[in-house]
Amino acid sequence: DQQVKQNSPSLSVQEGRISILNCDYTNSMFDYFLWYKKYPAEGPTFLISISSIKDKNEDGRFTVFLNKSAKHLSLHIVPSQPGDSAVYFCAVWSYNFNKFYFGSGTKLNVKP
Amino acid sequence: DGGITQSPKYLFRKEGQNVTLSCEQNLNHDAMYWYRQDPGQGLRLIYYSQIVNDFQKGDIAEGYSVSREKKESFPLTVTSAQKNPTAFYLCASSKRTPIGELFFGEGSRLTVL
Repeated sequence: DQQVKQNSPSLSVQEGRISILNCDYTNSMFDYFLWYKKYPAEGPTFLISISSIKDKNEDGRFTVFLNKSAKHLSLHIVPSQPGDSAVYFCAVWSYNFNKFYFGSGTKLNVKP
Repeated sequence: DGGITQSPKYLFRKEGQNVTLSCEQNLNHDAMYWYRQDPGQGLRLIYYSQIVNDFQKGDIAEGYSVSREKKESFPLTVTSAQKNPTAFYLCASSKRTPIGELFFGEGSRLTVL
């Protein structure tokens, strides 16, 4: 069973506009939510995170929103830049399960 | 510079051969992980280790083995029992508590000929 789902495999956005990447999860017991960015043939790098006690965390152009009632996580990038083009993975952590679960990723293409 | 080093970056293997992927970290992290990435799929956990000399199976451990004899090292052996070993393998580490983000290596691409 997939604990974390990213239903959009790809997203295309014009430079300067907002990119919104979405993630749904199944278990209300998850404690910590993270976004990773991955370029081809490289390991993912950490982007931004949020704990389950918050609903928003902002870091520069990146904002993560957590809607616990809907079990939904989103990442907003504004303004989008061509260098943001990459695959974005959402991940969740559970103290109960003591491990991370990853979504399947969304490939973002920011067009100049 | 602190980080995680995986080697080799590319590896070719004949069917029926075992192969070992190396993962070394100098971040002083307690926890280390091995993930597998296939096209169109998320990262799937193979094995993880929270402390030296201890490790647990992840979601797809069959056909793989690991060891954790040193804090810095967590090698993964892909055995001949793994039916579809061709994939991109990622090693990661994190602080055990409080939970922090994962730090990933650059990955190893294994191709079985």
